[in-house]
Amino acid sequence: DIQMTQSPSTLSASVGDRVTITCRASQAINVWLAWFQQKPGKVPKLLIYKASSLESGVPSRFSGSGSGTEFTLTISSLQPDDFATYYCQQYNTHWTFGQGTKVEIK
Amino acid sequence: QITLKESGPTVVKPTQTLTLTCIFSGFSLNTSGVAVVWIRQPPGKALEWLALIYWDDDKRYSSSLKNRLTITKDTSKNQVVLTMTNMDPVDTATYYCAHRDATRRVFGIWGQGTMVTVSS
Repeated sequence: DIQMTQSPSTLSASVGDRVTITCRASQAINVWLAWFQQKPGKVPKLLIYKASSLESGVPSRFSGSGSGTEFTLTISSLQPDDFATYYCQQYNTHWTFGQGTKVEIK
Repeated sequence: QITLKESGPTVVKPTQTLTLTCIFSGFSLNTSGVAVVWIRQPPGKALEWLALIYWDDDKRYSSSLKNRLTITKDTSKNQVVLTMTNMDPVDTATYYCAHRDATRRVFGIWGQGTMVTVSS
């Protein structure tokens, strides 16, 4: 099974900060990676698919990059609505989620 | 507009079998490439993929749970059913079903989730 490892597990940041979350796959997954945002008590929301494609309606401050085994999610200027937990998910071979990265207020 | 809604018991006892139903609208499970997936999330923990069923009835299961899971579909009723046998307190979680987009292959639309507690 493909394992997905996110870093960091928790990230403290301020409004306006540039934030980067990393996701590493245990084997190459081409560009078959998605990013989800989840707020407490809410359903996960798709942000990015195919490593760098922005889901419709998602603000352009969110961007994704990477291929193979290393991927990043970047929030260019953190907004109050962005404090949440973020998950990467590979869909190259079956489906696996990372353990999550909580973005909290500094 | 695609919607999905999960239903099932809120509490099950250890060793019992859990049966969850996902009723959907806005798409057909007869359409090539479409699939419905089940995902769970224990309280305070990460998301875990469980099972997926394709339009052609092909099925995939999590390797760690495959001996306990069965996924089926009834396209005439627009529903997908997941059964999980031998429930344990560690299976306490919110269970989600989601739509797998045929073109983009992603889980773009999720149901609201249903919380299942395993307790005697």
